[in-house]
Amino acid sequence: DSGVTQTPKHLITATGQRVTLRCSPRSGDLSVYWYQQSLDQGLQFLIQYYNGEERAKGNILERFSAQQFPDLHSELNLSSLELGDSALYFCASSVEDRGDYGYTFGSGTRLTVV
Amino acid sequence: AQSVTQLDSHVSVSEGTPVLLRCNYSSSYSPSLFWYVQHPNKGLQLLLKYTSAATLVKGINGFEAEFKKSETSFHLTKPSAHMSDAAEYFCVVSDPPGAAGNKLTFGGGTRVLVKP
Repeated sequence: DSGVTQTPKHLITATGQRVTLRCSPRSGDLSVYWYQQSLDQGLQFLIQYYNGEERAKGNILERFSAQQFPDLHSELNLSSLELGDSALYFCASSVEDRGDYGYTFGSGTRLTVV
Repeated sequence: AQSVTQLDSHVSVSEGTPVLLRCNYSSSYSPSLFWYVQHPNKGLQLLLKYTSAATLVKGINGFEAEFKKSETSFHLTKPSAHMSDAAEYFCVVSDPPGAAGNKLTFGGGTRVLVKP
């Protein structure tokens, strides 16, 4: 157990729907990162939050949004889902607002859009 | 911009033989480099990291990697492969401290098959 908790582990939904993925960071970590892993794109950075504030955006679609709450858990919202959004979504956390120490990853949420 | 190239998408080794996974990076800064491992249907686990200390980095499960600035390489090795090493391995470079983003940039991954 890495200490980063992601729920749900699996999610199957239809095109056009909206889903919310949840992440609880490791205790004491203030930064939360979201990554998408797909067969064609590999691992892509989506977005980062630090202590409740958005810090950086990567290749995140406008249909996707995220937030980090006062208790530091984060949610990734995916709307108007398309077949191509099927992927493994990882959350990671780190103590500080820097990546050069490495992150701790959760076990991911596998999203299947049918 | 930083990038990472893993030179082999698949590597097949026999149990008990050495493993070599090759990685080249491109970075405008002194990089922080990592190797992560992903076992089937599992999350990403940090194997080791280089952050400008010793150029030979030892990680978990007998893996080690050597940072060679002149070759812009960070190859991962293990002297003797075990069946449990079958997984996908990612070479990763991070944004430098203070950079907007702090993101990790992943290589394309190398899938390791271990034959008995």
